[in-house]
Amino acid sequence: TQLLEQSPQFLSIQEGENLTVYCNSSSVFSSLQWYRQEPGEGPVLLVTVVTGGEVKKLKRLTFQFGDARKDSSLHITAAQPGDTGLYLCAETYYNQGGKLIFGQGTELSVKP
Amino acid sequence: NAGVTQTPKFRVLKTGQSMTLLCAQDMNHEYMYWYRQDPGMGLRLIHYSVGEGTTAKGEVPDGYNVSRLKKQNFLLGLESAAPSQTSVYFCASSPSGGGTGELFFGEGSRLTVL
Repeated sequence: TQLLEQSPQFLSIQEGENLTVYCNSSSVFSSLQWYRQEPGEGPVLLVTVVTGGEVKKLKRLTFQFGDARKDSSLHITAAQPGDTGLYLCAETYYNQGGKLIFGQGTELSVKP
Repeated sequence: NAGVTQTPKFRVLKTGQSMTLLCAQDMNHEYMYWYRQDPGMGLRLIHYSVGEGTTAKGEVPDGYNVSRLKKQNFLLGLESAAPSQTSVYFCASSPSGGGTGELFFGEGSRLTVL
């Protein structure tokens, strides 16, 4: 059974600081997605990474996929209170009909 | 812009009671999922479906049953509710499964079992 480990589990920072969230697997990812969830709502897709070494940017968010495709990171530059939320990575099991398994999440709080 | 709709939004049950959560999507998606979310546990997959008439077990299927009789609906049933099933339940749909396919989530259903 593959496990997705996210770290840190909780992160509380001041507005303007930078932060990095990590997602690691015991095995090679086929592809990885990052979602963001706000209180009282369902998760919303931020990005999908597929190729080892891939880097994608979404405004102040930078997503990296490790060369060996066993890890991924999310870096936020100059965090804002609006970035507050739960960040989740998720992996697809293609050989099991598109089953998507999530990590336990990183709860981010950005204080003004 | 309905997307994925879950009913009910809130429910309180007594131990041993049964209930059904309904998920409806209007995007003609093939794949549908039921997850539960507990503090510090992220989202855990209960059951999923890759098309009308199909269902498959996820990570935590015990105590739950599902049915996908119509493409747009995915039902999650609890036959005999237990306090351990107190959770927030999320339904999602996708045109092509995970991977490069995006999952679209409902707003969640909060279930409390006393």
